[in-house]
Amino acid sequence: HVQLVESGGGVVQPGRSLRLSCVASEFTFSTYTMHWVRQAPGKGLEWVAVISYDGSNEYYIDSVEGRFTISRDNSENTLYLQMSSLTSEDTAVYYCARSDGFNAEVDSWGQGTLVTVSS
Amino acid sequence: SYELTQPPSVSVSPGQTGSITCFGNDLDNRFTYWFQHKPGQSPVLVIYQNNKRPSGIPARFSGSNSGNTATLTIGETQAIDEADYYCQTWDRSRVVFGGGTKLTVL
Repeated sequence: HVQLVESGGGVVQPGRSLRLSCVASEFTFSTYTMHWVRQAPGKGLEWVAVISYDGSNEYYIDSVEGRFTISRDNSENTLYLQMSSLTSEDTAVYYCARSDGFNAEVDSWGQGTLVTVSS
Repeated sequence: SYELTQPPSVSVSPGQTGSITCFGNDLDNRFTYWFQHKPGQSPVLVIYQNNKRPSGIPARFSGSNSGNTATLTIGETQAIDEADYYCQTWDRSRVVFGGGTKLTVL
Protein backbone atom coordinates (compact mmCIF):
# COMPACT_ATOMS: atom_id res chain seq x y z
CA HIS A 1 0.00 0.00 0.00
CA VAL A 2 0.99 3.66 -0.36
CA GLN A 3 3.78 4.76 1.94
CA LEU A 4 4.89 8.29 2.71
CA VAL A 5 7.66 8.67 5.29
CA GLU A 6 8.66 12.12 6.50
CA SER A 7 11.93 12.99 8.18
CA GLY A 8 14.04 16.01 9.05
CA GLY A 9 12.02 17.45 11.90
CA GLY A 10 13.58 18.58 15.14
CA VAL A 11 14.26 21.57 17.34
CA VAL A 12 15.54 24.68 15.55
CA GLN A 13 16.18 28.21 16.73
CA PRO A 14 14.09 31.13 15.49
CA GLY A 15 15.42 32.59 12.28
CA ARG A 16 17.19 29.39 11.25
CA SER A 17 16.43 26.98 8.44
CA LEU A 18 15.39 23.35 8.19
CA ARG A 19 14.68 20.94 5.35
CA LEU A 20 12.04 18.24 5.55
CA SER A 21 11.99 15.17 3.34
CA CYS A 22 9.26 12.73 2.41
CA VAL A 23 10.12 9.44 0.75
CA ALA A 24 7.33 7.82 -1.24
CA SER A 25 6.91 4.17 -2.13
CA GLU A 26 4.40 1.66 -3.43
CA PHE A 27 3.00 4.05 -6.03
CA THR A 28 4.21 5.97 -9.08
CA PHE A 29 5.43 9.11 -7.32
CA SER A 30 6.20 11.00 -10.53
CA THR A 31 2.54 11.07 -11.57
CA TYR A 32 1.11 12.54 -8.34
CA THR A 33 0.68 16.06 -7.05
CA MET A 34 2.23 16.37 -3.59
CA HIS A 35 1.44 18.52 -0.56
CA TRP A 36 2.76 19.61 2.80
CA VAL A 37 0.15 20.08 5.53
CA ARG A 38 0.88 21.05 9.14
CA GLN A 39 -0.84 20.99 12.50
CA ALA A 40 0.36 23.31 15.24
CA PRO A 41 -0.12 22.15 18.85
CA GLY A 42 -3.78 22.38 19.80
CA LYS A 43 -4.73 23.73 16.38
CA GLY A 44 -6.35 22.38 13.23
CA LEU A 45 -4.92 21.18 9.96
CA GLU A 46 -3.32 23.89 7.85
CA TRP A 47 -2.33 23.32 4.25
CA VAL A 48 1.15 24.70 3.52
CA ALA A 49 2.20 24.05 -0.07
CA VAL A 50 1.59 21.99 -3.19
CA ILE A 51 3.75 20.97 -6.15
CA SER A 52 2.61 19.50 -9.44
CA TYR A 53 3.66 16.03 -10.57
CA ASP A 54 6.53 17.39 -12.65
CA GLY A 55 7.54 20.24 -10.37
CA SER A 56 6.46 22.90 -12.84
CA ASN A 57 3.87 24.51 -10.56
CA GLU A 58 4.03 25.40 -6.88
CA TYR A 59 1.59 27.20 -4.61
CA TYR A 60 1.87 28.27 -0.98
CA ILE A 61 -0.20 29.56 1.88
CA ASP A 62 0.40 33.29 2.31
CA SER A 63 2.13 32.94 5.69
CA VAL A 64 5.03 30.90 4.25
CA GLU A 65 5.32 32.48 0.79
CA GLY A 66 8.92 33.60 0.26
CA ARG A 67 10.21 31.62 3.28
CA PHE A 68 9.36 28.02 2.34
CA THR A 69 10.13 26.19 -0.89
CA ILE A 70 8.54 22.92 -1.94
CA SER A 71 10.45 20.75 -4.39
CA ARG A 72 10.68 17.16 -5.53
CA ASP A 73 13.13 14.68 -7.00
CA ASN A 74 11.16 12.19 -9.04
CA SER A 75 14.24 10.07 -9.63
CA GLU A 76 14.51 9.56 -5.86
CA ASN A 77 10.75 9.47 -5.12
CA THR A 78 11.30 12.26 -2.63
CA LEU A 79 9.44 15.42 -1.72
CA TYR A 80 11.12 18.28 0.11
CA LEU A 81 10.17 21.35 2.09
CA GLN A 82 12.95 23.88 2.60
CA MET A 83 11.97 26.17 5.47
CA SER A 84 13.82 29.38 6.31
CA SER A 85 13.39 32.34 8.67
CA LEU A 86 11.50 30.05 11.00
CA THR A 87 9.38 31.48 13.81
CA SER A 88 7.51 29.95 16.71
CA GLU A 89 4.39 30.11 14.54
CA ASP A 90 5.94 27.40 12.36
CA THR A 91 6.05 24.90 15.22
CA ALA A 92 3.89 21.99 14.10
CA VAL A 93 3.69 18.42 12.94
CA TYR A 94 4.32 18.48 9.20
CA TYR A 95 2.64 15.87 7.00
CA CYS A 96 3.30 15.11 3.39
CA ALA A 97 0.33 13.94 1.35
CA ARG A 98 -0.59 13.17 -2.24
CA SER A 99 -3.46 13.89 -4.60
CA ASP A 100 -4.10 12.73 -8.15
CA GLY A 101 -3.75 16.21 -9.55
CA PHE A 102 -5.10 19.61 -8.60
CA ASN A 103 -8.74 19.75 -7.51
CA ALA A 104 -8.57 16.07 -6.59
CA GLU A 105 -8.86 14.32 -3.24
CA VAL A 106 -5.86 14.16 -0.91
CA ASP A 107 -6.02 10.43 -0.42
CA SER A 108 -2.85 9.40 1.42
CA TRP A 109 -0.80 10.94 4.21
CA GLY A 110 2.48 10.28 5.92
CA GLN A 111 2.83 9.89 9.68
CA GLY A 112 4.21 13.38 10.16
CA THR A 113 7.41 14.90 11.52
CA LEU A 114 7.54 17.40 14.36
CA VAL A 115 9.23 20.76 13.92
CA THR A 116 9.78 22.83 17.06
CA VAL A 117 11.05 26.37 16.70
CA SER A 118 12.45 27.47 20.02
CA SER A 119 15.48 29.21 21.45
CA SER B 1 -8.75 34.16 0.78
CA TYR B 2 -11.43 31.48 0.74
CA GLU B 3 -12.67 30.24 4.11
CA LEU B 4 -14.55 27.20 5.37
CA THR B 5 -16.38 27.44 8.69
CA GLN B 6 -17.17 24.47 10.94
CA PRO B 7 -18.66 24.29 14.44
CA PRO B 8 -15.89 23.68 17.00
CA SER B 9 -17.68 20.74 18.58
CA VAL B 10 -20.56 18.33 18.10
CA SER B 11 -21.83 15.72 20.55
CA VAL B 12 -23.78 12.59 19.68
CA SER B 13 -25.04 9.60 21.65
CA PRO B 14 -23.88 6.11 20.68
CA GLY B 15 -26.12 4.61 18.02
CA GLN B 16 -27.53 7.98 17.02
CA THR B 17 -26.88 10.02 13.90
CA GLY B 18 -24.40 12.87 14.09
CA SER B 19 -23.94 15.67 11.55
CA ILE B 20 -21.13 18.14 11.03
CA THR B 21 -21.62 21.18 8.82
CA CYS B 22 -19.14 23.14 6.75
CA PHE B 23 -20.01 26.58 5.41
CA GLY B 24 -18.30 28.28 2.51
CA ASN B 25 -19.31 30.88 -0.01
CA ASP B 26 -20.64 29.24 -3.15
CA LEU B 27 -19.52 25.87 -1.77
CA ASP B 28 -21.99 23.88 -3.86
CA ASN B 29 -20.00 24.88 -6.95
CA ARG B 30 -16.95 23.11 -5.53
CA PHE B 31 -16.19 19.58 -4.43
CA THR B 32 -15.99 19.08 -0.67
CA TYR B 33 -13.85 16.46 1.04
CA TRP B 34 -13.94 15.23 4.64
CA PHE B 35 -11.13 13.90 6.83
CA GLN B 36 -11.18 12.08 10.15
CA HIS B 37 -8.21 12.80 12.39
CA LYS B 38 -7.50 11.00 15.63
CA PRO B 39 -4.73 12.04 18.07
CA GLY B 40 -1.35 10.63 17.16
CA GLN B 41 -2.55 9.34 13.80
CA SER B 42 -2.55 10.61 10.23
CA PRO B 43 -5.73 12.10 8.80
CA VAL B 44 -7.99 9.69 6.92
CA LEU B 45 -10.15 10.65 3.94
CA VAL B 46 -13.73 9.56 4.66
CA ILE B 47 -15.68 11.41 1.94
CA TYR B 48 -14.54 12.74 -1.43
CA GLN B 49 -16.30 14.69 -4.18
CA ASN B 50 -19.10 15.67 -1.77
CA ASN B 51 -20.64 12.24 -1.24
CA LYS B 52 -18.34 9.39 -2.29
CA ARG B 53 -16.75 6.97 0.15
CA PRO B 54 -13.22 5.63 -0.33
CA SER B 55 -12.86 1.88 -0.10
CA GLY B 56 -12.72 0.71 3.49
CA ILE B 57 -14.82 3.57 4.87
CA PRO B 58 -18.03 2.27 6.50
CA ALA B 59 -21.33 3.04 4.85
CA ARG B 60 -22.31 4.89 8.05
CA PHE B 61 -20.37 7.85 6.68
CA SER B 62 -22.15 9.98 4.09
CA GLY B 63 -21.83 13.46 2.69
CA SER B 64 -23.91 16.09 0.96
CA ASN B 65 -23.37 19.56 -0.47
CA SER B 66 -26.11 22.08 -1.12
CA GLY B 67 -26.11 25.83 -1.29
CA ASN B 68 -23.31 27.18 0.85
CA THR B 69 -23.17 24.20 3.20
CA ALA B 70 -21.63 20.75 3.03
CA THR B 71 -22.60 18.17 5.63
CA LEU B 72 -20.89 15.04 6.92
CA THR B 73 -23.35 12.60 8.46
CA ILE B 74 -22.38 9.64 10.58
CA GLY B 75 -25.16 7.15 11.13
CA GLU B 76 -25.29 4.76 14.10
CA THR B 77 -22.34 6.55 15.63
CA GLN B 78 -19.84 4.43 17.51
CA ALA B 79 -17.23 5.26 20.11
CA ILE B 80 -14.50 4.69 17.50
CA ASP B 81 -15.91 7.60 15.49
CA GLU B 82 -14.83 10.07 18.18
CA ALA B 83 -12.27 12.27 16.43
CA ASP B 84 -11.66 15.65 14.85
CA TYR B 85 -13.29 16.07 11.45
CA TYR B 86 -12.16 18.54 8.79
CA CYS B 87 -13.86 19.64 5.62
CA GLN B 88 -11.69 20.65 2.69
CA THR B 89 -12.00 22.17 -0.75
CA TRP B 90 -9.77 23.73 -3.37
CA ASP B 91 -9.48 27.41 -4.23
CA ARG B 92 -7.19 28.78 -6.96
CA SER B 93 -4.98 25.66 -6.94
CA ARG B 94 -4.64 25.80 -3.16
CA VAL B 95 -6.12 23.44 -0.59
CA VAL B 96 -8.37 25.00 2.05
CA PHE B 97 -9.32 23.27 5.31
CA GLY B 98 -12.11 24.14 7.66
CA GLY B 99 -11.17 24.81 11.27
CA GLY B 100 -12.18 21.32 12.35
CA THR B 101 -14.96 19.90 14.50
CA LYS B 102 -14.38 17.72 17.55
CA LEU B 103 -16.96 14.93 17.53
CA THR B 104 -17.66 13.58 20.99
CA VAL B 105 -19.60 10.35 21.40
CA LEU B 106 -21.24 10.19 24.82
